[in-house]
Amino acid sequence: GENVEQHPSTLSVQEGDSAVIKCTYSDSASNYFPWYKQELGKGPQLIIDIRSNVGEKKDQRIAVTLNKTAKHFSLHITETQPEDSAVYFCAASEGSASKIIFGSGTRLSIRP
Amino acid sequence: KAGVTQTPRYLIKTRGQQVTLSCSPISGHRSVSWYQQTPGQGLQFLFEYFSETQRNKGNFPGRFSGRQFSNSRSEMNVSTLELGDSALYLCASSSSTGELFFGEGSRLTVL
Repeated sequence: GENVEQHPSTLSVQEGDSAVIKCTYSDSASNYFPWYKQELGKGPQLIIDIRSNVGEKKDQRIAVTLNKTAKHFSLHITETQPEDSAVYFCAASEGSASKIIFGSGTRLSIRP
Repeated sequence: KAGVTQTPRYLIKTRGQQVTLSCSPISGHRSVSWYQQTPGQGLQFLFEYFSETQRNKGNFPGRFSGRQFSNSRSEMNVSTLELGDSALYLCASSSSTGELFFGEGSRLTVL
Protein backbone atom coordinates (compact mmCIF):
# COMPACT_ATOMS: atom_id res chain seq x y z
CA GLY A 1 0.00 0.00 0.00
CA GLU A 2 0.89 3.67 -0.13
CA ASN A 3 3.36 5.09 2.36
CA VAL A 4 3.99 8.81 2.77
CA GLU A 5 7.03 10.14 4.57
CA GLN A 6 7.24 13.78 5.62
CA HIS A 7 10.24 15.87 6.71
CA PRO A 8 11.10 17.68 8.84
CA SER A 9 8.91 16.91 11.83
CA THR A 10 9.55 20.38 13.27
CA LEU A 11 10.63 23.56 11.53
CA SER A 12 11.34 26.99 12.94
CA VAL A 13 11.90 29.95 10.63
CA GLN A 14 12.28 33.68 11.06
CA GLU A 15 9.27 35.74 10.14
CA GLY A 16 9.61 36.84 6.53
CA ASP A 17 11.80 33.89 5.53
CA SER A 18 10.67 30.91 3.47
CA ALA A 19 9.69 27.47 4.74
CA VAL A 20 9.91 24.21 2.80
CA ILE A 21 8.35 20.89 3.78
CA LYS A 22 9.10 17.75 1.80
CA CYS A 23 7.20 14.50 1.31
CA THR A 24 7.90 11.28 -0.52
CA TYR A 25 5.40 8.62 -1.53
CA SER A 26 5.75 5.01 -2.57
CA ASP A 27 2.80 4.15 -4.83
CA SER A 28 3.30 5.28 -8.41
CA ALA A 29 -0.47 5.06 -8.92
CA SER A 30 -1.02 8.05 -6.61
CA ASN A 31 -2.18 11.04 -8.62
CA TYR A 32 -3.56 13.52 -6.08
CA PHE A 33 -1.43 15.31 -3.49
CA PRO A 34 -3.16 17.66 -1.04
CA TRP A 35 -1.64 19.70 1.77
CA TYR A 36 -3.45 20.48 5.02
CA LYS A 37 -2.85 23.05 7.73
CA GLN A 38 -4.03 22.27 11.24
CA GLU A 39 -4.16 24.99 13.84
CA LEU A 40 -4.44 24.24 17.53
CA GLY A 41 -7.88 22.95 18.45
CA LYS A 42 -9.10 22.84 14.87
CA GLY A 43 -9.52 20.29 12.12
CA PRO A 44 -7.11 20.09 9.17
CA GLN A 45 -7.80 22.68 6.48
CA LEU A 46 -7.05 22.01 2.82
CA ILE A 47 -4.67 24.78 1.72
CA ILE A 48 -3.44 23.63 -1.68
CA ASP A 49 -3.38 20.49 -3.78
CA ILE A 50 -1.78 19.26 -6.96
CA ARG A 51 -2.60 16.52 -9.41
CA SER A 52 -0.11 14.37 -11.26
CA ASN A 53 -0.53 16.11 -14.59
CA VAL A 54 0.89 19.35 -13.12
CA GLY A 55 4.45 20.03 -11.90
CA GLU A 56 3.83 23.15 -9.86
CA LYS A 57 0.92 25.11 -8.48
CA LYS A 58 0.90 28.48 -6.69
CA ASP A 59 -1.62 30.30 -4.56
CA GLN A 60 -0.34 33.62 -3.27
CA ARG A 61 2.44 32.84 -0.77
CA ILE A 62 2.18 29.07 -0.99
CA ALA A 63 3.28 26.75 -3.76
CA VAL A 64 3.54 23.02 -4.23
CA THR A 65 5.91 21.20 -6.56
CA LEU A 66 5.65 17.60 -7.70
CA ASN A 67 8.32 15.33 -9.13
CA LYS A 68 6.57 12.14 -10.25
CA THR A 69 9.76 10.47 -11.38
CA ALA A 70 11.36 10.84 -7.96
CA LYS A 71 8.01 10.42 -6.17
CA HIS A 72 8.35 13.49 -4.05
CA PHE A 73 6.45 16.71 -3.57
CA SER A 74 7.08 19.81 -1.53
CA LEU A 75 5.25 22.71 0.06
CA HIS A 76 6.86 26.15 -0.14
CA ILE A 77 5.68 29.07 1.97
CA THR A 78 7.28 32.43 1.19
CA GLU A 79 7.31 35.59 3.31
CA THR A 80 6.19 33.64 6.37
CA GLN A 81 3.91 35.33 8.89
CA PRO A 82 2.99 34.47 12.50
CA GLU A 83 -0.36 33.07 11.38
CA ASP A 84 1.51 30.43 9.34
CA SER A 85 2.44 28.71 12.61
CA ALA A 86 0.60 25.37 12.59
CA VAL A 87 1.02 21.68 11.84
CA TYR A 88 1.14 20.87 8.13
CA PHE A 89 0.26 17.48 6.67
CA CYS A 90 0.98 16.21 3.20
CA ALA A 91 -1.03 13.38 1.70
CA ALA A 92 -1.18 11.18 -1.37
CA SER A 93 -4.09 9.42 -3.00
CA GLU A 94 -5.14 7.54 -6.11
CA GLY A 95 -8.08 9.91 -6.22
CA SER A 96 -10.44 8.25 -3.78
CA ALA A 97 -11.07 10.03 -0.49
CA SER A 98 -10.88 6.79 1.44
CA LYS A 99 -7.45 6.02 0.09
CA ILE A 100 -5.77 9.27 1.11
CA ILE A 101 -2.63 8.47 3.11
CA PHE A 102 -1.26 11.24 5.32
CA GLY A 103 2.28 12.09 6.26
CA SER A 104 3.19 12.35 9.92
CA GLY A 105 3.02 16.16 10.00
CA THR A 106 5.42 19.10 10.35
CA ARG A 107 5.08 21.55 13.20
CA LEU A 108 6.02 24.95 11.75
CA SER A 109 6.88 27.79 14.11
CA ILE A 110 7.45 31.34 12.93
CA ARG A 111 9.86 33.34 15.08
CA PRO A 112 9.07 37.07 15.37
CA LYS B 1 -21.60 27.22 1.92
CA ALA B 2 -21.52 25.61 5.37
CA GLY B 3 -18.59 23.37 6.19
CA VAL B 4 -18.47 19.97 7.83
CA THR B 5 -20.19 20.04 11.22
CA GLN B 6 -19.31 17.64 14.01
CA THR B 7 -21.05 17.18 17.34
CA PRO B 8 -20.29 17.08 20.15
CA ARG B 9 -17.00 18.97 20.13
CA TYR B 10 -15.84 17.62 23.48
CA LEU B 11 -16.91 14.69 25.59
CA ILE B 12 -15.66 12.68 28.53
CA LYS B 13 -16.53 9.04 29.04
CA THR B 14 -15.38 6.26 31.32
CA ARG B 15 -13.95 2.89 30.33
CA GLY B 16 -16.56 0.42 29.20
CA GLN B 17 -19.07 3.04 28.08
CA GLN B 18 -20.02 3.66 24.50
CA VAL B 19 -20.11 6.86 22.50
CA THR B 20 -21.81 8.14 19.36
CA LEU B 21 -20.39 10.99 17.30
CA SER B 22 -22.26 12.84 14.59
CA CYS B 23 -21.17 14.47 11.35
CA SER B 24 -23.03 16.58 8.82
CA PRO B 25 -21.11 16.85 5.52
CA ILE B 26 -20.91 19.78 3.15
CA SER B 27 -24.14 20.10 1.20
CA GLY B 28 -23.97 17.99 -1.93
CA HIS B 29 -21.14 15.76 -0.71
CA ARG B 30 -22.16 12.13 -0.57
CA SER B 31 -18.94 10.67 0.81
CA VAL B 32 -18.09 10.88 4.49
CA SER B 33 -14.87 9.56 6.01
CA TRP B 34 -13.84 9.25 9.63
CA TYR B 35 -10.32 9.56 11.03
CA GLN B 36 -8.77 9.11 14.44
CA GLN B 37 -6.00 11.55 15.34
CA THR B 38 -3.63 10.91 18.20
CA PRO B 39 -0.22 12.45 18.95
CA GLY B 40 1.55 9.13 18.54
CA GLN B 41 -0.26 7.66 15.51
CA GLY B 42 -1.16 10.74 13.49
CA LEU B 43 -4.20 10.64 11.23
CA GLN B 44 -5.56 7.13 10.87
CA PHE B 45 -8.41 6.22 8.53
CA LEU B 46 -11.41 4.55 10.18
CA PHE B 47 -13.98 4.13 7.42
CA GLU B 48 -15.73 5.82 4.52
CA TYR B 49 -19.41 5.88 3.68
CA PHE B 50 -20.95 6.69 0.35
CA SER B 51 -24.67 6.66 -0.34
CA GLU B 52 -25.36 4.90 2.97
CA THR B 53 -22.89 2.09 2.23
CA GLN B 54 -19.52 1.51 3.83
CA ARG B 55 -17.11 1.76 0.93
CA ASN B 56 -13.84 1.23 2.75
CA LYS B 57 -12.64 0.37 6.22
CA GLY B 58 -9.37 0.96 8.03
CA ASN B 59 -7.59 -1.33 10.43
CA PHE B 60 -9.61 -0.78 13.59
CA PRO B 61 -11.38 -3.34 15.82
CA GLY B 62 -15.06 -4.08 15.47
CA ARG B 63 -15.82 -1.82 18.46
CA PHE B 64 -15.62 1.03 15.96
CA SER B 65 -18.63 1.22 13.69
CA GLY B 66 -20.45 3.78 11.65
CA ARG B 67 -23.41 4.45 9.46
CA GLN B 68 -24.70 6.99 7.00
CA PHE B 69 -28.22 8.22 6.56
CA SER B 70 -30.10 9.08 3.39
CA ASN B 71 -29.32 12.79 3.89
CA SER B 72 -25.58 11.91 3.94
CA ARG B 73 -25.24 12.67 7.65
CA SER B 74 -23.07 10.10 9.37
CA GLU B 75 -22.53 8.75 12.84
CA MET B 76 -19.74 6.71 14.30
CA ASN B 77 -19.99 4.61 17.41
CA VAL B 78 -17.33 3.24 19.70
CA SER B 79 -18.43 0.57 22.15
CA THR B 80 -16.69 -0.72 25.28
CA LEU B 81 -14.40 2.30 25.44
CA GLU B 82 -10.75 1.85 26.35
CA LEU B 83 -8.28 4.44 27.60
CA GLY B 84 -6.47 4.23 24.27
CA ASP B 85 -9.58 5.44 22.46
CA SER B 86 -8.93 8.95 23.75
CA ALA B 87 -8.35 10.97 20.60
CA LEU B 88 -9.63 13.62 18.26
CA TYR B 89 -12.15 12.05 15.90
CA LEU B 90 -12.34 13.85 12.60
CA CYS B 91 -15.02 13.62 10.00
CA ALA B 92 -14.40 14.66 6.43
CA SER B 93 -16.65 14.95 3.44
CA SER B 94 -15.33 14.70 -0.06
CA SER B 95 -16.28 16.18 -3.37
CA SER B 96 -16.73 14.15 -6.54
CA THR B 97 -13.13 14.98 -7.46
CA GLY B 98 -11.74 13.46 -4.26
CA GLU B 99 -10.93 16.63 -2.31
CA LEU B 100 -11.33 16.06 1.41
CA PHE B 101 -12.74 18.70 3.76
CA PHE B 102 -12.53 18.18 7.51
CA GLY B 103 -14.72 19.24 10.38
CA GLU B 104 -13.34 20.62 13.64
CA GLY B 105 -13.44 17.21 15.27
CA SER B 106 -14.86 15.63 18.40
CA ARG B 107 -12.34 15.34 21.22
CA LEU B 108 -13.02 12.22 23.24
CA THR B 109 -11.41 11.67 26.63
CA VAL B 110 -11.79 8.23 28.23
CA LEU B 111 -11.16 8.07 31.97
